[in-house]
Amino acid sequence: GAVVSQHPSRVICKSGTSVKIECRSLDFQATTMFWYRQFPKKSLMLMATSNEGSKATYEQGVEKDKFLINHASLTLSTLTVTSAHPEDSSFYICSATPTDSTSTDTQYFGPGTRLTVL
Amino acid sequence: RKEVEQDPGPFNVPEGATVAFNCTYSNSASQSFFWYRQDCRKEPKLLMSVYSSGNEDGRFTAQLNRASQYISLLIRDSKLSDSATYLCVVNTGRRALTFGSGTRLQVQP
Repeated sequence: GAVVSQHPSRVICKSGTSVKIECRSLDFQATTMFWYRQFPKKSLMLMATSNEGSKATYEQGVEKDKFLINHASLTLSTLTVTSAHPEDSSFYICSATPTDSTSTDTQYFGPGTRLTVL
Repeated sequence: RKEVEQDPGPFNVPEGATVAFNCTYSNSASQSFFWYRQDCRKEPKLLMSVYSSGNEDGRFTAQLNRASQYISLLIRDSKLSDSATYLCVVNTGRRALTFGSGTRLQVQP
């Protein structure tokens, strides 16, 4: 089956530092990847849609200068949380839709990255 | 109003019980519907798609009522391993999925 990996799985950092999270589709190409954030006991909330070779589309209320997304290849999207603060502590999950899929119903999720900002 | 609403639970049921979850969605243009399962601190995993005709997969039965914008999931003969959070998920056609906040199920021995 299709596999999506995320790295790191867990990161603890000091306030003010930047953290990069990688999302990779291991055995398929993905023109589109999605980044979600989940706070404890809350729903997954879409942050942005990452498109290979073009700018990401951010959801309302998500600061594009704070959450930098780069999708430079068909198998890799990165999310960089810049100048992280404790309120950015959350579970970040990516998903990918295979390029040859006719529907975005097919999404494969990464295992998530748990970010803790001290 | 939330796009996808679920009762957060928790539902505490004994092994072998039948339990039903409900979900409502607000966007009448929604096209596809799913139930996902999420274990603690893990990513969501697709449990089943939901169709108007209803569909069944072993002990799990899902139903969609488009007129009422309502989705249900029935679990029969609950197992301890069914303990998890069940997420109602809708594809509104925007490409990304819209998740409900989940219903927590705890199956007790």
